[in-house]
Amino acid sequence: EVQLAESGGGLVQPGGSLRLSCGVSGFTFSTHWMNWVRQAPGKGLEWVANINQDGTEKYYVDSVKGRFSISRDNDKSSMYLQLNSLRAEDTAIYYCASARGFGGYDSLDYWGRGTLVTVSS
Amino acid sequence: DIQMTQSPSALSASIGDGVTITCRASQRISNYLAWYQQKPGKAPKLLIYKASNLESGVPSRFIGSASGTEFTLTITRLQPEDFATYYCQQFHDYPFTFGQGTKLEMK
Repeated sequence: EVQLAESGGGLVQPGGSLRLSCGVSGFTFSTHWMNWVRQAPGKGLEWVANINQDGTEKYYVDSVKGRFSISRDNDKSSMYLQLNSLRAEDTAIYYCASARGFGGYDSLDYWGRGTLVTVSS
Repeated sequence: DIQMTQSPSALSASIGDGVTITCRASQRISNYLAWYQQKPGKAPKLLIYKASNLESGVPSRFIGSASGTEFTLTITRLQPEDFATYYCQQFHDYPFTFGQGTKLEMK
């Protein structure tokens, strides 16, 4: 069974930092692009970033460029999102999700349950 | 960025009804479109990939189609478990973008 599990969320003050993790089991992690998607409370979905199989290609939504950094460790079947200079508008549930195929331009087939990040003083 | 305009934002229907949700892209995206279902407190679930392909395990009452920059998700013969929020997503260009969502409620 495929499982994705996010961790690392919590309450942080504006300007602070957090590191989110996504642990994966049940499929060959190293062969898939991986993504982060967030959802502010009561709002819709927003794609945040993705990373290719060996970590050499990374893409971000403009609103997080320069503040967030995506990475992965294939030996640990894990992906990470470093969140710096956090703002109130970054408050959201952060989901990790795998790309369906082996390319970056693909739908997201497996999702974790999400981890809540709250940015507030 | 590619804008995905999804309509309606909300929809009421009864068990057994058929419904259609539409997503219009601000530019051509070929068939690089997916549909997701999300229930309260849960992660999204992939229903349709590449505009019209049914994800494994998804009931055949979910049908995706495309015409130019307009994409539709049709659900035939609604079942109780279908009442949820639905999102389209383009993955043709970065940043990938989602529609605003359609909340399907029971009448």
